[in-house]
Parts: sequence; C-alpha cells; structure tokens
Amino acid sequence: KAGVTQTPRYLIKTRGQQVTLSCSPISGHRSVSWYQQTPGQGLQFLFEYFSETQRNKGNFPGRFSGRQFSNSRSEMNVSTLELGDSALYLCASSVGHRGDYGYTFGSGTRLTVV
Amino acid sequence: AQKITQTQPGMFVQEKEAVTLDCTYDTSDQSYGLFWYKQPSSGEMIFLIYQGSYDEQNATEGRYSLNFQKARKSANLVISASQLGDSAMYFCAMREGTYGGATNKLIFGTGTLLAVQP
Repeated sequence: KAGVTQTPRYLIKTRGQQVTLSCSPISGHRSVSWYQQTPGQGLQFLFEYFSETQRNKGNFPGRFSGRQFSNSRSEMNVSTLELGDSALYLCASSVGHRGDYGYTFGSGTRLTVV
Repeated sequence: AQKITQTQPGMFVQEKEAVTLDCTYDTSDQSYGLFWYKQPSSGEMIFLIYQGSYDEQNATEGRYSLNFQKARKSANLVISASQLGDSAMYFCAMREGTYGGATNKLIFGTGTLLAVQP
C-alpha cells in the first residue's frame, strides 16, 4: 500500500517567487492536512481539505493557499515568497474528516527561500 | 486556548532501558484525541500511538504505551527496551472533538529529542 507522497522533496526558491507543493494521499483517504515546520515556530497547522472543500485554516497570511482535487490529491501554493517561509512542509492524510483512524504523514517538502 | 507542553527538550537513555517522555495538554473540550509521533532526521512523521479522551484503558502499541492521566491532563509516552533506532524527535499532539464536530487539525508540542546510547 503506497504511503503519502509529497513532491518535490527539496526546493530552492528566490524571494518574491511563488511555489506549488503537491501531496498525494493514501488511496481511499479523502482528507488532507498541511503543516509547516520551522525551528522557531515548530509544527503549525496550515489548512485541511476534505472532499475538495477547505474545512479549516490556520493562522497564516493569504499568501498561503491550497486546493484539493477530485482524486483527493492536494496542492498548496505560496506566493511572494519570504525568507521566513523556509521550512519543512508536511501533509497528512486520513480516511475521514475526524481522523478517527489516525493520520499518515508524508516525508515532507523542504523549501529553502534565498 | 488549546496547548500541548513538552518540557524535555532532550533526553538520553541507555539501550534496552525504558524511557518516559512527558506531555501535558490544556483543553476545555471534553472530547479530544492524543497522539504521539516520531520524527527521524529524514523528516517523516511516524505515528506511534493514540489515546481518546473517553478511552478508559491506557493505549499500548508494541513497545510503546501511553500513560494517560486525565485529571492531571498528562499523556506521557513510555518506550520500553529502547533501541538505537529509537533515536529521533518525538512529538505529542492533540486533536479536539474526537467524537463529533471534529476537525483534522492537530496541535503539536515542541518535541523531545531522544538519544539512545549503546
């Protein structure tokens, strides 16, 4: 059974650029959540999608956006990159919107903004 | 506000010994879920164990057990018979509203870096 796949694994971007990260959940999982991990702020919730609808959003500026497709794959986009956006971005998938069966995380995308 | 506190930034343990990683939480909800994850240097978050707020028994998964003390709002992870491969960062996390009106938002603690020594 394939796990959660995040692409790309590593990314280097320049300030002001935009970036799109992808997350393919486990087959049959309909919920995808995104998290940002930095040494200073730790793990912070970005947003959650279930059946193509954003169900919850964390406290991040509007430069951070996401979407989910009908096959449950999700993308997150960060526009006008800032140095502080350098982080490990993790996505997690679960079967339902309540996570009763737990969450499976991907290996993350490590974004470096220079 | 909901919060997870892990007071041990780092810990050492000898191989084959048991170790307890501390976690306290704060929530006003009656229904919530508590998780422990392991994060090796590769970055992936690996699920270890789950405890629901209404579960009367402490959760166990192989060498991992969760010491759940609801009145004290603590959910400590116990790893028995530590192995070298257990060296990693460990995060305690909470999800609210386990049994209704839930979201999939997890609140994480700051983590404990565990080093297992031979």
